[in-house]
Amino acid sequence: AQSVTQPDIHITVSEGASLELRCNYSYGATPYLFWYVQSPGQGLQLLLKYFSGDTLVQGIKGFEAEFKRSQSSFNLRKPSVHWSDAAEYFCAVVDSGAGSYQLTFGKGTKLSVIP
Amino acid sequence: DTAVSQTPKYLVTQMGNDKSIKCEQNLGHDTMYWYKQDSKKFLKIMFSYNNKELIINETVPNRFSPKSPDKAHLNLHINSLELGDSAVYFCASSLGLAGPENIQYFGAGTRLSVL
Repeated sequence: AQSVTQPDIHITVSEGASLELRCNYSYGATPYLFWYVQSPGQGLQLLLKYFSGDTLVQGIKGFEAEFKRSQSSFNLRKPSVHWSDAAEYFCAVVDSGAGSYQLTFGKGTKLSVIP
Repeated sequence: DTAVSQTPKYLVTQMGNDKSIKCEQNLGHDTMYWYKQDSKKFLKIMFSYNNKELIINETVPNRFSPKSPDKAHLNLHINSLELGDSAVYFCASSLGLAGPENIQYFGAGTRLSVL
């Protein structure tokens, strides 16, 4: 079964600094990869997704992510963090080879932003 | 205008009670899901329905019974509530089951506290 690892439980950055959140997946074929954000007390909002093609994908709110097959990674980046980016970030994968198309989530990375 | 709406947002109840959480989507989607997010923020799928038919039923106690009266609704009924049921429950929907184009859209969650 596929799995998703987010090695960092909690990251703190200063406002205006760059950000990279790590995500590694374990899956044999090409996965479908997602990043979701959960603001406090809110549901999950899709930031971006990768299915195929260009390995650098752009998302909403100025986020981007790069798919690196050799490293089994799909790290999320933002060049300049805003205080409103403080939230929980989840990486997820869909098993494109199975029939159920269910999302498997990582355990999340909490982002704190220092003014 | 909320795409996926859940009620109630908060639910506090005693052990042994029976409770229901309702979910409605106005996106015209065929597939709906229930996820459980535990105290460590880990998200795990519980059920998915496609066109009112149960597709995914993960290892969930049979005290949990989803009901889909129509494609736009997927309710979750929980019998004999236990302390370990305390969590945030998220409803989601997608256009269908097949293909990566079927992005899942999430509701804001229902925080269940069992005392």
